[in-house]
Amino acid sequence: QKEVEQNSGPLSVPEGAIASLNCTYSDRGSQSFFWYRQYSGKSPELIMFIYSNGDKEDGRFTAQLNKASQYVSLLIRDSQPSDSATYLCASPGGKLIFGQGTELSVKP
Amino acid sequence: DTGVSQDPRHKITKRGQNVTFRCDPISEHNRLYWYRQTLGQGPEFLTYFQNEAQLEKSRLLSDRFSAERPKGSFSTLEIQRTEQGDSAMYLCASGREGEFTEQFFGPGTRLTVL
Repeated sequence: QKEVEQNSGPLSVPEGAIASLNCTYSDRGSQSFFWYRQYSGKSPELIMFIYSNGDKEDGRFTAQLNKASQYVSLLIRDSQPSDSATYLCASPGGKLIFGQGTELSVKP
Repeated sequence: DTGVSQDPRHKITKRGQNVTFRCDPISEHNRLYWYRQTLGQGPEFLTYFQNEAQLEKSRLLSDRFSAERPKGSFSTLEIQRTEQGDSAMYLCASGREGEFTEQFFGPGTRLTVL
C-alpha cells in the first residue's frame, strides 16, 4: 500500500519569504507527484506536477523530486498572503494517494 | 460553468438514515472518482469509474457504501444506515483516462450525521 506523508504544520512564513513544503513517500516505484492547493472550505486544485527527478519551475513555484531519497518538495518564492492554504502532495496512478496536507500561513 | 458539479452541497441527516449524493463530471472526461475528506486530513480514495465500469473500490469502504455510474455520465454515491463516523466532505473528481492525468475536483458534499 502506497503511503504519502506530510508535516501537517501549520507552517507560518512572513510575506516575501520562501515557503518550503515537504512530502515523503513509501513506494519506490512512484514516478511522479502532484501538488494540490486547497483553500479553506474549497476543493483541491492542481498547481504543479513533476514527472522526473530534479526540479520543475512554474512562476513562483518550484517542485523538486528526489527518487533516491523518496522525497518531494514544493518551494514557493516571494510568498503572498493569498498563498495561505493547505498544500497536498499526491501520488497518481489511477487514483490519487494524498498526504495529510500542510497548512501554510503567510503573514503580511 | 463546465466544471465538476455535486449535489447537494450540504446534507444533515440522522444516524441510521440513507443518503445519496450526485456528481456530474466534466463532459469529456471518462473517469470519475469519489474521495472522502475529514478535517485536517487529505482526501481519501473511495472508488472510481471508467465510463460505466467501476474499476476500483477502496478496501476501507464498507458494504454500506455503493456507487453507480449507469450511463457513463453522472454518478451517485449512496450511504446506507449512516453512522456519525460517516460525517465528512465527499469529493467527486473527474479526469481523462491515464495514470498521470489531472483530476478536477467538484465543490464537494458536506455530510453531517447527527
